[in-house]
Amino acid sequence: AQTVTQSQPEMSVQEAETVTLSCTYDTSESDYYLFWYKQPPSRQMILVIRQEAYKQQNATENRFSVNFQKAAKSFSLKISDSQLGDAAMYFCAYRSDLNAGGTSYGKLTFGQGTILTVHP
Amino acid sequence: NAGVTQTPKFRILKIGQSMTLQCAQDMNHNYMYWYRQDPGMGLKLIYYSVGAGITDKGEVPNGYNVSRSTTEDFPLRLELAAPSQTSVYFCASSYKGRPFSGANVLTFGAGSRLTVL
Repeated sequence: AQTVTQSQPEMSVQEAETVTLSCTYDTSESDYYLFWYKQPPSRQMILVIRQEAYKQQNATENRFSVNFQKAAKSFSLKISDSQLGDAAMYFCAYRSDLNAGGTSYGKLTFGQGTILTVHP
Repeated sequence: NAGVTQTPKFRILKIGQSMTLQCAQDMNHNYMYWYRQDPGMGLKLIYYSVGAGITDKGEVPNGYNVSRSTTEDFPLRLELAAPSQTSVYFCASSYKGRPFSGANVLTFGAGSRLTVL
């Protein structure tokens, strides 16, 4: 079974600065997806960024980028030019590729989450 | 296109009562999931379904039941509610697309907050 670990329960950053959230995972699969989700106080799960394991290039979405190290099974999220609206709980998540077979049936496995505080 | 709709958004139950959380999606997704999120924690899978008539247990299925009679609907039934079931419940769905396509992204509902007193 896959596991996802976020070792930073809480992080803080000054507005306009950069912060990196850490995530490690354990799997024996070669084809999979990794995600970062943002959960603001409204509880809505908002997809921030996605990385396909077969891609060597790190994904970027505006101010959000990842550092994907497949051999090390590491998937960190970098938020540049932090804004007050970035304050939220962030979850790292793993999903097997549905087309690769297996019995995970595409379920997401989540880490414990990291609470990000942004100071003005 | 409403996406994934969950009802109710909030509910307070007394110990021993039963209720059903409704989940409906209008995207013709074949995969559907129920997760629960306890305070300050990540999401844990309760049940999932890979298509109408097919369901299976996730990590924390005890105290819950599901059914999937149609592609669109995936209700979660709580029998004999207990305080340990106080949580926020999320329904999610996706479809199985071509390899490495955007189909592998889950769409989440807005959540249902349940309190058992």
